[in-house]
Amino acid sequence: NAGVTQTPKFQVLKTGQSMTLQCAQDMNHEYMSWYRQDPGMGLRLIHYSVGAGITDQGEVPNGYNVSRSTTEDFPLRLLSAAPSQTSVYFCASSHTSGGPQETQYFGPGTRLLVL
Amino acid sequence: ELKVEQNPLFLSMQEGKNYTIYCNYSTTSDRLYWYRQDPGKSLESLFVLLSNGAVKQEGRLMASLDTKARLSTLHITAAVHDLSATYFCAVDARTPMDSNYQLIWGAGTKLIIKP
Repeated sequence: NAGVTQTPKFQVLKTGQSMTLQCAQDMNHEYMSWYRQDPGMGLRLIHYSVGAGITDQGEVPNGYNVSRSTTEDFPLRLLSAAPSQTSVYFCASSHTSGGPQETQYFGPGTRLLVL
Repeated sequence: ELKVEQNPLFLSMQEGKNYTIYCNYSTTSDRLYWYRQDPGKSLESLFVLLSNGAVKQEGRLMASLDTKARLSTLHITAAVHDLSATYFCAVDARTPMDSNYQLIWGAGTKLIIKP
């Protein structure tokens, strides 16, 4: 049971490039989400999904796309990278979208630097 | 707009001492989470607090929730070096109409415990 996995661990992009951050979980969780973590700030929700084929925007969705074709995978696409997207990105999952005593499991993170 | 404020943001303390981290939030919520993050690592769930007066303890950490005061505390008893980490609180801002997490995160408290 690998939990939540993310690739790559670290990536450097040039402004305007696109890329996809991968996230997978093997716990059969319905809920998956993407956060970004910036220095001195709490996590901010980018997009989330409550099941295969269902996605929705979070607090800071601009510049990012997601899709959920399977329960296991939830990739995050940067359409045209900007320096403001330099951040650490975390993927998280939970069995449901917030039942009592539910908590989210986080992946190891992807550090992204946009030059 | 829901705001979550943690204080202090940085805390350096000696082993063996007691201290409390505070998490204040600005609107009604009866669901709050505490997470721990080691440097360069992912986030690990510590506590889920679901109702007014909820108290949970794990080892040297105890968390409580006062929904009337909109305040949660994370108390550290007889601190040890291994507890050095950044601690985040997250408040679930969902309304009765929402079935999904609507987490708003504090900025985190960086705790350094010196031997």
